[in-house]
Amino acid sequence: GEDVEQSLFLSVREGDSSVINCTYTDSSSTYLYWYKQEPGAGLQLLTYIFSNMDMKQDQRLTVLLNKKDKHLSLRIADTQTGDSAIYFCAERGSGTYKYIFGTGTRLKVLA
Amino acid sequence: IAGITQAPTSQILAAGRRMTLRCTQDMRHNAMYWYRQDLGLGLRLIHYSNTAGTTGKGEVPDGYSVSRANTDDFPLTLASAVPSQTSVYFCANATGGSVGELFFGEGSRLTVL
Repeated sequence: GEDVEQSLFLSVREGDSSVINCTYTDSSSTYLYWYKQEPGAGLQLLTYIFSNMDMKQDQRLTVLLNKKDKHLSLRIADTQTGDSAIYFCAERGSGTYKYIFGTGTRLKVLA
Repeated sequence: IAGITQAPTSQILAAGRRMTLRCTQDMRHNAMYWYRQDLGLGLRLIHYSNTAGTTGKGEVPDGYSVSRANTDDFPLTLASAVPSQTSVYFCANATGGSVGELFFGEGSRLTVL
């Protein structure tokens, strides 16, 4: 079945770049998402990329998609303490509203 | 703008008791979902509903039931709670269109003793 994998923890220093990685197994994934969860809250959509794109940039965020390797990454430039949160990768196939989430990566930003 | 409202925020429950987690939206989205979040396991889909009057099973439906009598309400019921159902439960809905963004409630933390 479909599976989405992420490493559980990442720690970076304030001002450095963070790179959060995700691998997925469903080759029919059409939409790939990054959601952010702050402590005690629900998830919020951070950014997304369609499968026909290789890269998407949105201010400090850069999403890279390698379809051949089924690998998605989220780069956060100039990481701030407010970026400390859990980041979830998710994928969805075309024509379906079934989302598959990864385990989440807890990002800790050290001052 | 409320979006998605879940209740209760937190609950401690004795094993064997029946419990209903409430979820109400004011966004009029057709698709709604219930997920549970457990450390190291991420979010797992329990049940979903594509539109009022229809429901479907997700990854981990056993021990849970849902109903969708109208567009706005999507309650999740644990008929006889067990300790393994201790978790944080999130209700979500999805926009239509190509992006299909999920909107989440604030979550309900349930502890079954």
